[in-house]
Amino acid sequence: GAGVSQSPRYKVAKRGQDVALRCDPISGHVSLFWYQQALGQGPEFLTYFQNEAQLDKSGLPSDRFFAERPEGSVSTLKIQRTQQEDSAVYLCASSLSTGANVLTFGAGSRLTVL
Amino acid sequence: AQTVTQSQPEMSVQEAETVTLSCTYDTSESDYYLFWYKQPPSRQMILVIRQEAYKQQNATENRFSVNFQKAAKSFSLKISDSQLGDAAMYFCAYRSAGAAGNKLTFGGGTRVLVKP
Repeated sequence: GAGVSQSPRYKVAKRGQDVALRCDPISGHVSLFWYQQALGQGPEFLTYFQNEAQLDKSGLPSDRFFAERPEGSVSTLKIQRTQQEDSAVYLCASSLSTGANVLTFGAGSRLTVL
Repeated sequence: AQTVTQSQPEMSVQEAETVTLSCTYDTSESDYYLFWYKQPPSRQMILVIRQEAYKQQNATENRFSVNFQKAAKSFSLKISDSQLGDAAMYFCAYRSAGAAGNKLTFGGGTRVLVKP
């Protein structure tokens, strides 16, 4: 596609529910990143994929967070047993080359946990 | 670990005037990249300008320019001839040029308000 597409744009979950956030990167982009942006703060790195390989997951805050990119294109960020502190905007970005070179960001998925 | 600090939570500028946003960073590396991103209410981060640390010349992109002071670890953004469309959150970001160069470290952001 022309840009990075994320869905849903908004998600409200009750505490304890599982959620899945989807990212469609630009076709052919090798690198894919997930960031978490809490209200009023800058984005924080969660995880990085090069094609289907998850090369860095050092930013995932707990084992309730899981990301995958099984075919090297679409990626899903899953959060199990959501907590209120998980409320944030989750940004996906992709890059044509390896590493965080020139990133194209999606518009994010805003998660609110009640 | 690298840290990026933006000390101005909010800046206000009159349309057609100039505003400068501050950014400082902490790193022990000698080779890295610095970025300024714009985030409008639509939430999509847009790259404004990028600077390679090995280049002494300051980057410019139309009305946007940076003042890169490597020794001081300072990377400010100047927006000239401000327009209403410049109103947004602006984030400074750091990326290592080495093996750890697979992530951006962002500052806390500066909100820019443009008065007509």
